[in-house]
Amino acid sequence: QQQVKQSPQSLIVQKGGISIINCAYENTAFDYFPWYQQFPGKGPALLIAIRPDVSEKKEGRFTISFNKSAKQFSLHIMDSQPGDSATYFCAATTSGTYKYIFGTGTRLKVLA
Amino acid sequence: GAVVSQHPSRVICKSGTSVKIECRSLDFQATTMFWYRQFPKQSLMLMATSNEGSKATYEQGVEKDKFLINHASLTLSTLTVTSAHPEDSSFYICSAVKGGDYGYTFGSGTRLTVV
Repeated sequence: QQQVKQSPQSLIVQKGGISIINCAYENTAFDYFPWYQQFPGKGPALLIAIRPDVSEKKEGRFTISFNKSAKQFSLHIMDSQPGDSATYFCAATTSGTYKYIFGTGTRLKVLA
Repeated sequence: GAVVSQHPSRVICKSGTSVKIECRSLDFQATTMFWYRQFPKQSLMLMATSNEGSKATYEQGVEKDKFLINHASLTLSTLTVTSAHPEDSSFYICSAVKGGDYGYTFGSGTRLTVV
């Protein structure tokens, strides 16, 4: 029940295309869902995050879609660029615990 | 802002020696810090939760005597890998929580190689 399932494991997208990464959770106590971007040899960096009281959040080319009833959330990267090539992790946590449950990661490659 | 500095970024040590990794929150006081381990092409595995002024809480299966964590101040947590062996070679990442904020800020990671 503590797992966060992430798919796909890897993704190849053409420059300018849309990259979509999906995550699903089971624990309904989770109330904060961030996405992290990690480049090789670096720590993860927060991209965007959402709480269950909204269904969508957009920041620049990055959008999170959240489906509370389905217990799913996804990251959409619009106009994908080669510089977006990285590993993306979704995560979930419950207020006050600060303990994040991470997805297994998606390796994105954007072709020039 | 919320900046976390981790040092060193890379370290090579001989088998049997100990290595200390530092994690500092530069522009905020971190009541809680976390230590993660990451194997190549895998997700982050939480090792322990470090609370300022108290003992660290270790995840199941993590040897507390091998991975010593000290959180002596609100801006510094250290992870010491004691009597390191080649199987301890990994990427270690810390993260810090700014009080009242759910967002993690990660350090840049430390690549430990034990030879």
